[in-house]
Amino acid sequence: GDSVTQMEGPVTLSEEAFLTINCTYTATGYPSLFWYVQYPGEGLQLLLKATKADDKGSNKGFEATYRKETTSFHLEKGSVQVSDSAVYFCALRQMRGSQGNLIFGKGTKLSVKP
Amino acid sequence: EPEVTQTPSHQVTQMGQEVILRCVPISNHLYFYWYRQILGQKVEFLVSFYNNEISEKSEIFDDQFSVERPDGSNFTLKIRSTKLEDSAMYFCASKQSGSTDTQYFGPGTRLTVL
Repeated sequence: GDSVTQMEGPVTLSEEAFLTINCTYTATGYPSLFWYVQYPGEGLQLLLKATKADDKGSNKGFEATYRKETTSFHLEKGSVQVSDSAVYFCALRQMRGSQGNLIFGKGTKLSVKP
Repeated sequence: EPEVTQTPSHQVTQMGQEVILRCVPISNHLYFYWYRQILGQKVEFLVSFYNNEISEKSEIFDDQFSVERPDGSNFTLKIRSTKLEDSAMYFCASKQSGSTDTQYFGPGTRLTVL
């Protein structure tokens, strides 16, 4: 069945470092891909999304490109801040019907040190 | 900004007891979801709900689970006889329409079964 695999954490970076969190997926058809972020004590928030191959989602300095040839959707940010410390989840939306339940990766905890 | 809310934030119960987890989705949303995350594991889809009925459910969502929208605002998940392995973070989510990808998540309820 469909699945998402993302890199294990935790990831610890210094402020202004470059961030990459890898995400690969297995799915039939052409799923939509998402990154969600969970800040401490809060719910999952949509960070960015891409709905077709070669689309680039971007938000708050983060970006990810839908690569169908490598079935990947890696999250990147050029210069992280302490406020980016959170857990990041890669997810895909199954294309069955319109309800579109999400399939998530395990999450990657990011800690950014000043 | 409208948000999904969940209560309680933490629920502790004895094995075999019934629990009800409560969610208030965003008011004009039509699609509702429950997900769970066992500590250290993936966020897993449980059930989706639309037009006052279950539209899809996973293998996890067995006869011990039920969902209800008892009034115009609440969306509840009931576990009839809790097991130790039901200990997890439970997330509620809602979505405006079938053509929309974005699901909005609540902060979660941490269920601990002793």
